[in-house]
Amino acid sequence: QKEVEQNSGPLSVPEGAIASLNCTYSDRGSQSFFWYRQYSGKSPELIMSIYSNGDKEDGRFTAQLNKASQYVSLLIRDSQPSDSATYLCAVNAAGTALIFGKGTTLSVSS
Amino acid sequence: DTGVSQDPRHKITKRGQNVTFRCDPISEHNRLYWYRQTLGQGPEFLTYFQNEAQLEKSRLLSDRFSAERPKGSFSTLEIQRTEQGDSAMYLCASSRPGGARANVLTFGAGSRLTVL
Repeated sequence: QKEVEQNSGPLSVPEGAIASLNCTYSDRGSQSFFWYRQYSGKSPELIMSIYSNGDKEDGRFTAQLNKASQYVSLLIRDSQPSDSATYLCAVNAAGTALIFGKGTTLSVSS
Repeated sequence: DTGVSQDPRHKITKRGQNVTFRCDPISEHNRLYWYRQTLGQGPEFLTYFQNEAQLEKSRLLSDRFSAERPKGSFSTLEIQRTEQGDSAMYLCASSRPGGARANVLTFGAGSRLTVL
């Protein structure tokens, strides 16, 4: 069974710090990797996608992918209290549905 | 683009009753997905459609669950003989056709089911 593993947290960081969120996956055939953010009581919303090894930056967010290690991470620079949410890692192989991890809860204190 | 719409937003039912949820995807999206989410867990995949064809169904999905997308537009998810363990948020998502964008999901607000 395909699995996506995340540390559930909570991960607590002070405002302005870097938050590092990690995810591992079991299916070596996985091709697409995503980070979704979910505020309490809301639906998941996409914040980053990454498809090839290396880093991808978008504003304060950087996604990192290492397919050999089956590892994907998300760095949030200059963390803000508004970044407090659950971050879901999602993975899929071609032609299959997206599989989500359980999510990591991030708390940014001001 | 009005987003993904789900109805009803909240359903309370008694154990043993049948319930049906509806999802209207973004109009130009041809893929539609159903997920279930319980507190403290990530979304759990149930099934997905490309146009009217049901392409994948989770092996964990009970026979009491059935989904349809008869004309490739809206979809319904029916749960028969509900059990208390079915209480969850049922999320619908849709995505564009083709390439990497086919995997970028836009979620609706969800339908919360409470089984008493």
